[in-house]
Amino acid sequence: GEDVEQSLFLSVREGDSSVINCTYTDSSSTYLYWYKQEPGAGLQLLTYIFSNMDMKQDQRLTVLLNKKDKHLSLRIADTQTGDSAIYFCAESWGYQKVTFGIGTKLQVIP
Amino acid sequence: EAQVTQNPRYLITVTGKKLTVTCSQNMNHEYMSWYRQDPGLGLRQIYYSMNVEVTDKGDVPEGYKVSRKEKRNFPLILESPSPNQTSLYFCASSLGQAMSPLHFGNGTRLTVT
Repeated sequence: GEDVEQSLFLSVREGDSSVINCTYTDSSSTYLYWYKQEPGAGLQLLTYIFSNMDMKQDQRLTVLLNKKDKHLSLRIADTQTGDSAIYFCAESWGYQKVTFGIGTKLQVIP
Repeated sequence: EAQVTQNPRYLITVTGKKLTVTCSQNMNHEYMSWYRQDPGLGLRQIYYSMNVEVTDKGDVPEGYKVSRKEKRNFPLILESPSPNQTSLYFCASSLGQAMSPLHFGNGTRLTVT
């Protein structure tokens, strides 16, 4: 089946780390993505991980993949107010079909 | 500047009045797609196109049409809009290769009364 689940809301204090979690159901997914949506804008790709990787780090962003539990997480270190946005987890089996989660709204408190 | 451009940004219309939302990309992308975003449902794919004259249904195609006569344009057509099509619509494009990120437009907020 094709289902991507995320919690709806996360609130953190500026300077703390944020961890946004996602579970997916299809173990044949090839790529897993994190997209960011700022108010009034479309989605922008933040980072991605290939299904044969466990971890990927890109500056303040760390993606962890637990294939056994079909769990994906995005950690944002030193969270800033500019990180306030909706974060979408997505999975794909190729470029034709990308399934998105419902999005997690991150609120950063100054 | 590389971008996906949708027009209009906001549209209010009445039930049954045909409308078209345009989408254009300047990145020579093969793949284009339409999504609708609704609260609690995330993004759902309406239609996609892998190349000129090649289109296919996504998860929620009912009530929509698309065309891909040129590589850069992928309009979304609502022949007879209904209130349940009130939503935020996004056009996206990609190179159409494995691990090609989607580039999104800024969205069109449609209200059907």
